[in-house]
Amino acid sequence: NAGVTQTPKFQVLKTGQSMTLQCAQDMNHEYMSWYRQDPGMGLRLIHYSVGAGITDQGEVPNGYNVSRSTTEDFPLRLLSAAPSQTSVYFCASSRKPYNEQFFGPGTRLTVL
Amino acid sequence: SQELEQSPQSLIVQEGKNLTINCTSSKTLYGLYWYKQKYGEGLIFLMMLQKGGEEKSHEKITAKLDEKKQQSSLHITASQPSHAGIYLCGADTGGADGLTFGKGTHLIIQP
Repeated sequence: NAGVTQTPKFQVLKTGQSMTLQCAQDMNHEYMSWYRQDPGMGLRLIHYSVGAGITDQGEVPNGYNVSRSTTEDFPLRLLSAAPSQTSVYFCASSRKPYNEQFFGPGTRLTVL
Repeated sequence: SQELEQSPQSLIVQEGKNLTINCTSSKTLYGLYWYKQKYGEGLIFLMMLQKGGEEKSHEKITAKLDEKKQQSSLHITASQPSHAGIYLCGADTGGADGLTFGKGTHLIIQP
């Protein structure tokens, strides 16, 4: 099993550009989520999904969109990148929201 | 206010010394997860606690959940350079959106 995979590992964007961060899991987990990690702020939940076709907002959803068309994939879209979105992004999955979360290796995003 | 408080924020410990990291919740903890993150990498699961008074150990790391299920501690005995990193606690406080995480404790081991 590959577990949770994320691409790309690193990305540099200019302000106003859009992009999609990819996340996939092969553990048949129902729950998937996106976090951002910033110095001194810990992990903050952006969006989450409890199953295919179902998504909901977390603590810091503004500027991000998600979709869950399959159980395996949960892409995160930045519509118009801003410097405040410079961060490390982690995707996670679990059987249920309250179970152990399995994390991907992260995407380090810089917005200039 | 922050639901989950971790202390200390950072810790510098001489190799071979013991240390303790705390995680305190303003809500009842239905599950408490400890993770370790090496700098620049993802989070690795360490241990999970669910029952009041529960204690688990793995190698030189022991985690405990208090009887009231609102505080957990992570204790490292005879620290080694491999213990360096960021330790995060994640809590199930009954919400539908998953685990809430503390801000993390940065641990540095001095030789």
